[in-house]
Amino acid sequence: QVRLVESGGRVVQFGRSLRLSCATSGFTFKNYGVHWVRQAPGKGLEGVASIWHDGSTNFYIDSVKGRFIISRDNSKNTFSLQMNSLRAEDTGIYYCARDQSDDNTGYFPGFWGQGTLVTVSS
Amino acid sequence: DIQMAQSPSSLSASVGDRVTITCRASQDINNYLVWFQQKPGKAPKSLIYGASTLQSGVPSKFSGSGSETHFTLTISSLQPEDIATYYCQQYKSYPLTFGGGTKVEIK
Repeated sequence: QVRLVESGGRVVQFGRSLRLSCATSGFTFKNYGVHWVRQAPGKGLEGVASIWHDGSTNFYIDSVKGRFIISRDNSKNTFSLQMNSLRAEDTGIYYCARDQSDDNTGYFPGFWGQGTLVTVSS
Repeated sequence: DIQMAQSPSSLSASVGDRVTITCRASQDINNYLVWFQQKPGKAPKSLIYGASTLQSGVPSKFSGSGSETHFTLTISSLQPEDIATYYCQQYKSYPLTFGGGTKVEIK
């Protein structure tokens, strides 16, 4: 079955860098767009970054542009989020997610990992 | 970016009540809207996509309607297992954006 597993979350100091990874299985990874969605403690969901199935195009919310980089390796069925210049407001649970389907009826996060906690400390 | 405004932010209803949550988009998103349910400590789960298509395995007490900028999620008969926070999200354009969430509680 479809499975996504995040790793890399930990406590990190303000201004430092962290890389999150998402290992996937149970589907043909190269056919699907993927996303990173975060949730600050006690707050709502925020779509941080997305990347197309072939890696040709990516998208970011304004607050992370120039600091975060989403990438994927279709040969290893994994994707990552490189987070630089971390701020206190980047603290939260980071979920990796896969598009529901490989056509435009399903370009939304339909399958999710369990989340990994990132805490930015001062 | 497309802004999503969800209301109410919380509600309390009795078991068996009909519950309706509203989501408004800042511009026309056709029907590229998905509703998620999130229970404490869990990842979100999609309930309805394409504004009104029930996700496989989701009980028929959940329904969605709307198009362009105005959407609703309805729970026809609220049950204790429906206690959760519900989010709408548009996928008409990137970045994907979510409503602020509606926390549903039992009165």
